[in-house]
Amino acid sequence: DTGVSQNPRHKITKRGQNVTFRCDPISEHNRLYWYRQTLGQGPEFLTYFQNEAQLEKSRLLSDRFSAERPKGSFSTLEIQRTEQGDSAMYLCASSPRGGSTEAFFGQGTRLTVV
Amino acid sequence: GQQLNQSPQSMFIQEGEDVSMNCTSSSIFNTWLWYKQDPGEGPVLLIALYKAGELTSNGRLTAQFGITRKDSFLNISASIPSDVGIYFCAGLSNTGNQFYFGTGTSLTVIP
Repeated sequence: DTGVSQNPRHKITKRGQNVTFRCDPISEHNRLYWYRQTLGQGPEFLTYFQNEAQLEKSRLLSDRFSAERPKGSFSTLEIQRTEQGDSAMYLCASSPRGGSTEAFFGQGTRLTVV
Repeated sequence: GQQLNQSPQSMFIQEGEDVSMNCTSSSIFNTWLWYKQDPGEGPVLLIALYKAGELTSNGRLTAQFGITRKDSFLNISASIPSDVGIYFCAGLSNTGNQFYFGTGTSLTVIP
């Protein structure tokens, strides 16, 4: 499968714990996005990487959230001291270099904070 | 952030009927994308539009990039049960760094 891969698919954690999600983009896609989606809503932008550089962050990305893409390939999203309001689907998308701006999404990581 | 409004919010149609939905924005976009999302899954890209007035088809799906660049339309012809899902439009920001998503149109196809 050469699509965007996200792990884990599901995560249940206790409030206050830290969690980390991983995203492997489509090979050679240099652009990578993280989104969050709550039930009944469209995806909301969190952050954007071009290669290893984090070029844009949403105000939704509080100081408890951090994202990295150290080698310009896979990316991680960490949430520290999780809160119940962090429960959501976390989606990763990648887009190829060049003129095409099509973004392809992974299957997402469903986070439940109890 | 940008608000993209989709209508209708939900649709219940008979199998075989055609479907039309639209997406409007208060801002201009240079790229529009249409996605379909099934429960518990990530959005799947259906169609990408890059030019005002552009009409693009993908099988039974046809999408148009509005000439004002503030709207887009998606039509599905001869609907089938597997068309069930939530359809989202998305517009690419001027910086090219993020997509703004619409509120979604939920489609139910009655066999």
